[in-house]
Amino acid sequence: EPEVTQTPSHQVTQMGQEVILRCVPISNHLYFYWYRQILGQKVEFLVSFYNNEISEKSEIFDDQFSVERPDGSNFTLKIRSTKLEDSAMYFCASSIGQGKYNEQFFGPGTRLTVL
Amino acid sequence: AQSVAQPEDQVNVAEGNPLTVKCTYSVSGNPYLFWYVQYPNRGLQFLLKYITGDNLVKGSYGFEAEFNKSQTSFHLKKPSALVSDSALYFCAVRDGLTGGGNKLTFGTGTQLKVEL
Repeated sequence: EPEVTQTPSHQVTQMGQEVILRCVPISNHLYFYWYRQILGQKVEFLVSFYNNEISEKSEIFDDQFSVERPDGSNFTLKIRSTKLEDSAMYFCASSIGQGKYNEQFFGPGTRLTVL
Repeated sequence: AQSVAQPEDQVNVAEGNPLTVKCTYSVSGNPYLFWYVQYPNRGLQFLLKYITGDNLVKGSYGFEAEFNKSQTSFHLKKPSALVSDSALYFCAVRDGLTGGGNKLTFGTGTQLKVEL
């Protein structure tokens, strides 16, 4: 069964450093998403991406964040200058479409620890 | 704005007994509702969804959920719980309004513990 994959599984970085989290969505999916889950809290939407542009973003997704689909398979989340409060589990998701077809499939997550 | 409430942080049930995990929602238009399960150190796995049609939807692993529009609820149920069902369960909603976006809004999660 096809699945969303994410690398690395765990990333440790120093405050102020840039990190790039990588995701490979399911191959025939067209919509891509990033969510995050701070330890002990609920899963929060960050951004959605379609047709090589951001279609929606939350207030969390400020200028420090960016997303990119650099080739036909990868989908990345970049945090330019990490803060302590960016420590969280980051989930990538993809869906084949929107509306009724918006069944989002999630990857296993990348745990980001900012020291 | 859309929101989801899961009023119970934890639900304990004996194996073989029926289980219910509660969820209520708020959206502007018609709701698209989802249940996901998260096992330790794993991502979110899709269980089931309600879009339109029958109020009782069936999903993976014997789970089902009942949509109740008047009570704005979408409770997850299973007739006979297994120890292997022990996990963290998330309810999520998307607003069905045209142009409402694709983002899912999640509840805070309910830890289900099934004991022998």
